[in-house]
Amino acid sequence: SQQGEEDPQALSIQEGENATMNCSYKTSINNLQWYRQNSGRGLVHLILIRSNEREKHSGRLRVTLDTSKKSSSLLITASRAADTASYFCATDVASNTGKLIFGQGTTLQVKP
Amino acid sequence: DGGITQSPKYLFRKEGQNVTLSCEQNLNHDAMYWYRQDPGQGLRLIYYSQIVNDFQKGDIAEGYSVSREKKESFPLTVTSAQKNPTAFYLCASRGGTGIAEAFFGQGTRLTVV
Repeated sequence: SQQGEEDPQALSIQEGENATMNCSYKTSINNLQWYRQNSGRGLVHLILIRSNEREKHSGRLRVTLDTSKKSSSLLITASRAADTASYFCATDVASNTGKLIFGQGTTLQVKP
Repeated sequence: DGGITQSPKYLFRKEGQNVTLSCEQNLNHDAMYWYRQDPGQGLRLIYYSQIVNDFQKGDIAEGYSVSREKKESFPLTVTSAQKNPTAFYLCASRGGTGIAEAFFGQGTRLTVV
C-alpha cells in the first residue's frame, strides 16, 4: 500500500493548547494536503503545501513539509472545542498519475 | 449551489447482491475518486478517473466496478465478489491534478444484512 502513516493516532488536549500531528509518506509528491473530518461526514480541505514549499500558514494552522524525510506536520494553535475532529494528510502523487492518497488520520479531542 | 452529492446516505444490501452508489458533481471537475473508510481507519482508494471514459484502479479495486460516461457522474458498483463490503464510502472530485484540492460528498454508509 502507498498509504502514509500519521501519528499520533489519537490526541487529547485542553482548550487553548496547541495540537501537532505528523504525517509520513512513501512516494514523490506534487503537493501535500490536510483535511478535516467530523464524525460520519465527508472531508473538508484545510490547507495545501506544494513540494517546493517548506512552511505555510492559514489562520491558526501551520503546515511544514520536509521532502527529504518525506514528512509533514500540522500545527493547530490555540485549539478550541470545535476543532475536535479527525485530521488526515493526503499526498498528490507525482508523475501525473492523478492519485490522491490519504494517511490513517489523527483523531483530535479538545476538552473545554 | 455547486457541490458533490452522494446518494443514498444509507444503503442495506443482502449478501450476493450488487449495489450501485451514486456520485454526482456540478463543479465541472475533471477528476473523480472513490474511497472506502472502515471504522477508525483512514481512506483507501478504490478507483479514480481523471477524464471522461477513462478510469484507473486504486489500491483496493477488487470486488468493485465504476463507469465514467459523463463528466458529472462517477457511480460505484459494489459487486457480490466484494467479501466485506460493509463500510463508509466517500466520493470526491477535483478540478485537476497537480495543484487542486478535493471536494468530498457526505458519504454513503453501506451495510450488508
